[in-house]
Amino acid sequence: ETGVTQSPTHLIKTRGQQVTLRCSSQSGHNTVSWYQQALGQGPQFIFQYYREEENGRGNFPPRFSGLQFPNYSSELNVNALELDDSALYLCASRPGLAPHEQFFGPGTRLTVL
Amino acid sequence: QQQVKQSPQSLIVQKGGISIINCAYENTAFDYFPWYQQFPGKGPALLIAIRPDVSEKKEGRFTISFNKSAKQFSLHIMDSQPGDSATYFCAALDNAGNMLTFGGGTRLMVKP
Repeated sequence: ETGVTQSPTHLIKTRGQQVTLRCSSQSGHNTVSWYQQALGQGPQFIFQYYREEENGRGNFPPRFSGLQFPNYSSELNVNALELDDSALYLCASRPGLAPHEQFFGPGTRLTVL
Repeated sequence: QQQVKQSPQSLIVQKGGISIINCAYENTAFDYFPWYQQFPGKGPALLIAIRPDVSEKKEGRFTISFNKSAKQFSLHIMDSQPGDSATYFCAALDNAGNMLTFGGGTRLMVKP
């Protein structure tokens, strides 16, 4: 059984560009959540996908969008990158919506110049 | 809006001592309270979690104390070890299971 994996590990973009981050959920997990963790801060909830549909969203603008695929892997897309988007982006998965351990991936470190 | 407030921001403890981290929340819709441990360059890993119908939960050296009326909960690490040096986050999940809200984190250093 593999854990949550994310790609790429690191990414450097310039302001105004678009980026796609990928996450493979743990086997059997149909719920995937994305978080943004700025340096020295706690993770901030971006959105959550359950069975390929978004079912929760934090206080992030529409230029943050996502997808979940039939195999429950997920993508986070960010358009019109801003300097403040520089952060560690974390993906977490769990089986279903009930309170249960969320397994986090190692994250993707995004730097916007 | 920070719905989960965590203190202290940093903590230095001698080996063998007790580390105590506190959190307070505002949203009464929270009904699952996990603690995460994060090492540099890694994602957070679940340490221990509690539901509000229980006042205390212990797993090994880690104990959560929960005070529902005060809307506060805390993590106690007994016999702290240098390997416990990491950043700790409290969190709270709403009863719809949609959104995990994290505290700001506590950077713990355990001196040998």
